Amino acid sequence: SQQGEEDPQALSIQEGENATMNCSYKTSINNLQWYRQNSGRGLVHLILIRSNEREKHSGRLRVTLDTSKKSSSLLITASRAADTASYFCATDAGGANSKLTFGKGITLSVRP
Amino acid sequence: EAGVVQSPRYKIIEKKQPVAFWCNPISGHNTLYWYRQNLGQGPELLIRYENEEAVDDSQLPKDRFSAERLKGVDSTLKIQPAELGDSAVYLCASSLEGTSAYNEQFFGPGTRLTVL
Repeated sequence: SQQGEEDPQALSIQEGENATMNCSYKTSINNLQWYRQNSGRGLVHLILIRSNEREKHSGRLRVTLDTSKKSSSLLITASRAADTASYFCATDAGGANSKLTFGKGITLSVRP
Repeated sequence: EAGVVQSPRYKIIEKKQPVAFWCNPISGHNTLYWYRQNLGQGPELLIRYENEEAVDDSQLPKDRFSAERLKGVDSTLKIQPAELGDSAVYLCASSLEGTSAYNEQFFGPGTRLTVL
């Protein structure tokens, strides 16, 4: 079963614009992670945010986490054509049975 | 540093045939995962290994799927016999230590299986 649900399902923006993607989940988590998947490739880890963190930055990426609303957002600033990919949020309950539960993903298209 | 290696990249078989996928994780990574990704969906965990022990195989359809990780390094995932619904991308991932509270996983490119 998939816990994370991303929103929107698809997003198309112009190069240079910001892209905001949202993720909601249902059960308590230890951490939440965002991954990117280019067409025909494996997933690439982007960023991990712990349950006791509210915001995290990595380059042009900004992730927020609101555990009270069970939601997270991924912001990509100054988007580039190379950012075109599918983005997945994945939740991890942590502990001995740590495993990632992925959402269905968001397809981002950045037009040159 | 080499990433997670998977082979083959593509496989087309007829239903009822057997098929096997191979994965070589990143050197030193104790934890290995097999995921299945259906079209338009996120990956779903099939099995997780800590060294050579399968610690979570609750999502593995054991009537037709099997996996092994001999010597705690390479792993093989097998389907026998394959069904039409098994068409998907099979992803292998590894991480340094799966029991860590903050566990980044590194994925291979996947094997795209088509069952005719």
